[in-house]
Amino acid sequence: GAVVSQHPSRVICKSGTSVKIECRSLDFQATTMFWYRQFPKQSLMLMATSNEGSKATYEQGVEKDKFLINHASLTLSTLTVTSAHPEDSSFYICSARGTGDIGNTGELFFGEGSRLTVL
Amino acid sequence: AQSVTQPDIHITVSEGASLELRCNYSYGATPYLFWYVQSPGQGLQLLLKYFSGDTLVQGIKGFEAEFKRSQSSFNLRKPSVHWSDAAEYFCAVGYQAGTALIFGKGTTLSVSS
Repeated sequence: GAVVSQHPSRVICKSGTSVKIECRSLDFQATTMFWYRQFPKQSLMLMATSNEGSKATYEQGVEKDKFLINHASLTLSTLTVTSAHPEDSSFYICSARGTGDIGNTGELFFGEGSRLTVL
Repeated sequence: AQSVTQPDIHITVSEGASLELRCNYSYGATPYLFWYVQSPGQGLQLLLKYFSGDTLVQGIKGFEAEFKRSQSSFNLRKPSVHWSDAAEYFCAVGYQAGTALIFGKGTTLSVSS
């Protein structure tokens, strides 16, 4: 089946540094990837939508200069949290839409998530 | 605005008892409907999905869900709950193929012995 891999699964960084999270579709091409954020004991909130080869579309209230999203290929999207602060600590989950038949089902395939802790 | 409502924040069920988790959505047409389960610190696991056809959908781990258009609902059920079912359950809706899913706030399931 369609597999999405996220890396790293856990990362701890110092305040002020930048952290990059990778999201890869392993066995399918993903024209569109979505990045979600989940605070403890809360639901998933959509941060942005990225389409391969174009700029990401950010949801209202999400700082595009802080959360840089790059979708340079059909199998890789990256989220870079720039100048991270403790309030950026969260669980980040990516999801991908496939092409062809699997893309027409409406189903998204989710990565395992990345837990970011900013000290 | 399109939304997903999970009315129950926390449910406790005895092991072996039946379970029903509620989900309602707001949308004029039939959306794509999903139920996911999340264990603490883990990612999402898809339990089942509905796109069209038979309104009673079977999923993994003995779960099923029924789409009721008249009630805009997609409730998740399991006839006999196991202790390992304790987790967070999310209902999610997609309004067009390939668009981002909108998630409900989740229902925490606790299983008592």
